[in-house]
Amino acid sequence: QVQLQQSGPGLVKPSQTLSLTCGISGDSVSSNRANWNWIRQSPSRGLEWLGRTSYRSRWRNDYAVSVKSRISVTPDTSRNQFFLQLKSVTADDTAVYYCAREIVGIAGFDVWGQGTMVTVSS
Amino acid sequence: DIVMTQSPDSLAVSLGERATINCKSSQSVLYNSNNQNYLAWYQQKPGQPPKLLIHLTSVREFGVPDRFSGSGSGTDFTLTISSLQADDVAVYYCQQYYNTQTWTFGQGTKVEIK
Repeated sequence: QVQLQQSGPGLVKPSQTLSLTCGISGDSVSSNRANWNWIRQSPSRGLEWLGRTSYRSRWRNDYAVSVKSRISVTPDTSRNQFFLQLKSVTADDTAVYYCAREIVGIAGFDVWGQGTMVTVSS
Repeated sequence: DIVMTQSPDSLAVSLGERATINCKSSQSVLYNSNNQNYLAWYQQKPGQPPKLLIHLTSVREFGVPDRFSGSGSGTDFTLTISSLQADDVAVYYCQQYYNTQTWTFGQGTKVEIK
């Protein structure tokens, strides 16, 4: 059974970097049949896909246009986890952040982390 | 970006009755190469992450009751709950994936018991 366990701070100051970790059990971040995603949810934005990392002979990332200049999603193969970094945050980045797995060919997120409420405030 | 618009925003249905949720895409999500519509449906209950119910328009996930069904093609899609149960009270989202390697979600439809 695949599980995703999120960790990271719930409070970030404006202009700083939001950093979250998603630990994977039951699958591999290096799997060539999975993509590893970050998604956030807020009352103002709804559900918003942010970006993903995937391994297909080499590492590849895709990012939403809305955050492309500020986001980084990176794998950690030694600990079988992946990270989200979102720079220069503002109050508009306040949301529940989720990590999620996407299996190639399914075109949907079948496993989700528990969610992390991140508040941007001084 | 492709915009997904769900209707209605909320609906109240009696137990055992049918619930129908619509999802309209601003452009077609039909992949001509494989004739698949990359459209998924999720159920979200308070305090929980979304749960994938249906992918590729009509394929139910393992363990999802068969009262849930999906249909549609191109730009118009529907999620139907054939006989609403108390456990189905939730917010439902549609989601598309198209060739820009990005995902977008609908705004959600809240389903309640009448």
